[in-house]
Amino acid sequence: DVKVTQSSRYLVKRTGEKVFLECVQDMDHENMFWYRQDPGLGLRLIYFSYDVKMKEKGDIPEGYSVSREKKERFSLILESASTNQTSMYLCASVGSGAQETQYFGPGTRLLVL
Amino acid sequence: QKEVEQNSGPLSVPEGAIASLNCTYSDRGSQSFFWYRQYSGKSPELIMFIYSNGDKEDGRFTAQLNKASQYVSLLIRDSQPSDSATYLCAVNTNAGKSTFGDGTTLTVKP
Repeated sequence: DVKVTQSSRYLVKRTGEKVFLECVQDMDHENMFWYRQDPGLGLRLIYFSYDVKMKEKGDIPEGYSVSREKKERFSLILESASTNQTSMYLCASVGSGAQETQYFGPGTRLLVL
Repeated sequence: QKEVEQNSGPLSVPEGAIASLNCTYSDRGSQSFFWYRQYSGKSPELIMFIYSNGDKEDGRFTAQLNKASQYVSLLIRDSQPSDSATYLCAVNTNAGKSTFGDGTTLTVKP
């Protein structure tokens, strides 16, 4: 079974703090994704990566950056957290075929005060 | 127009009934289609995937795909209260990258 883990289930940070969210997958998947999910707005893609050191902007990259130094690990960074970044953050990984399904981590619920 | 649209909810059905969830997509190049279930506070989990036109059955779940109409649906037979969740439709065009609908919330009443 594919396992995708995220570093924290719940996180509380202050405005202006730098926040790191980590995601690790154990299936040697090439592609990894970071989403945020907010009520009424669905899943929105922040960034994705299709290989080590490669990254592409998703639909809402502003205020975020990512790092993929190793294939199994994809980090999301909030350079200076703001209250409008309070959200559920979901990481997913998937193999490279078009018919591959995405496997999600358990999510990190971030509250920025 | 959104790339993936789902029927607006919430949808409420009595226990034992058939729940029908619908999804349309705009990109004719879409290759694969997925239904995820998401319980409140949890992450999405895959229920069904379908690649070819027609029906695909898995237990109480049936996915239907009509590429000409750009339409995919999920039927849940003999609905149970444990089926109460938000159902997300996802469409893949490029390898591995999915576009998600906003979800339809289903409530199955005992």
